Amino acid sequence: LAKTTQPISMDSYEGQEVNITCSHNNIATNDYITWYQQFPSQGPRFIIQGYKTKVTNEVASLFIPADRKSSTLSLPRVSLSDTAVYYCLVGPIKAAGNKLTFGGGTRVLVKP
Amino acid sequence: EPEVTQTPSHQVTQMGQEVILRCVPISNHLYFYWYRQILGQKVEFLVSFYNNEISEKSEIFDDQFSVERPDGSNFTLKIRSTKLEDSAMYFCAGSVLADTQYFGPGTRLTVL
Repeated sequence: LAKTTQPISMDSYEGQEVNITCSHNNIATNDYITWYQQFPSQGPRFIIQGYKTKVTNEVASLFIPADRKSSTLSLPRVSLSDTAVYYCLVGPIKAAGNKLTFGGGTRVLVKP
Repeated sequence: EPEVTQTPSHQVTQMGQEVILRCVPISNHLYFYWYRQILGQKVEFLVSFYNNEISEKSEIFDDQFSVERPDGSNFTLKIRSTKLEDSAMYFCAGSVLADTQYFGPGTRLTVL
């Protein structure tokens, strides 16, 4: 399983763009990159998933360079409600259940 | 939008007692999971369940734990004889295929 490294915490202000970079140097060919968000006392929530290049949805964008050894989650114009822990997960999508392995995540604090 | 639900939201029990945590996954989900998160620590995988059998389990998921999908809708986690160290948030999750997992709000288990 590819090891991931991401900042422990980040502070931002309302209206700013937040970029969280995750390193995964030993990512395997069949690994995908997935980001989850977790608010205090709630379950993780899927944000975005990608394999290469750029993926965008209504919540975030995910940038993956050609070598796939890192990825950057971009949250545009954050609000106070985006304060949460953000997890980068790397792993294959298997046929029979896909165990998610969470690291420590990045604690993002959005200030007014 | 359909959601995963979990009951109870908070369970307090005495050490050595049995507890059953309940989950109602989203109706079209085929894969089911339990995770736990001890206060201040990482989200940890416990078990995955597919086609009415366990597909994978972690070292945490010992003989004291069991899972069941008794009626095609509920998905339960039973802890036979609780220990103090079982105190944690327990999250149920489900997925249609072996990819994006949708988590419930969690059950906070407190063992006294």
